[in-house]
Amino acid sequence: QITLKESGPTLVEPTQTLTLTCTFSGFSLSTSGVGVGWIRQPPGKALEWLALIYWDDDKRYSPSLRSRLTITKDTSKNQVVLTMTNMDPVDKATYFCARKPPVTAAGDYYFDSWGQGTLVTVSS
Amino acid sequence: QSVLTQPPSASGTPGQRVTISCSGNSSNIGNNYVYWYQQLPGAAPKLLIYRSTQRPSGVPDRFSGSQSGTSASLAISGLRSEDEADYSCAAWDDNLSGPVFGGGTKLTVL
Repeated sequence: QITLKESGPTLVEPTQTLTLTCTFSGFSLSTSGVGVGWIRQPPGKALEWLALIYWDDDKRYSPSLRSRLTITKDTSKNQVVLTMTNMDPVDKATYFCARKPPVTAAGDYYFDSWGQGTLVTVSS
Repeated sequence: QSVLTQPPSASGTPGQRVTISCSGNSSNIGNNYVYWYQQLPGAAPKLLIYRSTQRPSGVPDRFSGSQSGTSASLAISGLRSEDEADYSCAAWDDNLSGPVFGGGTKLTVL
């Protein structure tokens, strides 16, 4: 059974850096083709992909947020960490981590297991 | 403004068949697979359809996906009260080099 769980602060102040941790089980991030991504959802709004890290440490970022994001992994701890700098009230959202399964076709990109999400509010 | 366009709402009565549309362009739906996620109130998204038409294990065959050109659709037949949820489409975007999502459609079972 695959599980993922997000952890981190529920409240950050404007301009601060947000650090979120995704702890997962039921799969290994050393398995070829596997990735773990971060997706956020502002209240009442659409899902937005943020970043993804692959088993081989290849990292991909949303072009619109690339300058603010860093994604890393600790395979031995089954954890993926996302940092987002210069937080703003518009960054208030539920942040999800999710597993990207191995695929063979280009453009075949989806998340088959998701964490429950963590709501982050940005306020002073 | 989401890259993929969905109607904000849809509704149906129990037993009915409803469809939810998802419109994109040549850089996303027109050239790649489409995925559908179901999000029950207060819950995380759940993969409902992958590779445009495939259902993960455990997803009832009442749910089906289709794709044509730069558009895709999710059909739900034999509508049930537990289908009341938000449904979001997604696809890889070649220009953005990342996955993009629709704005979501809130399905109400009357």
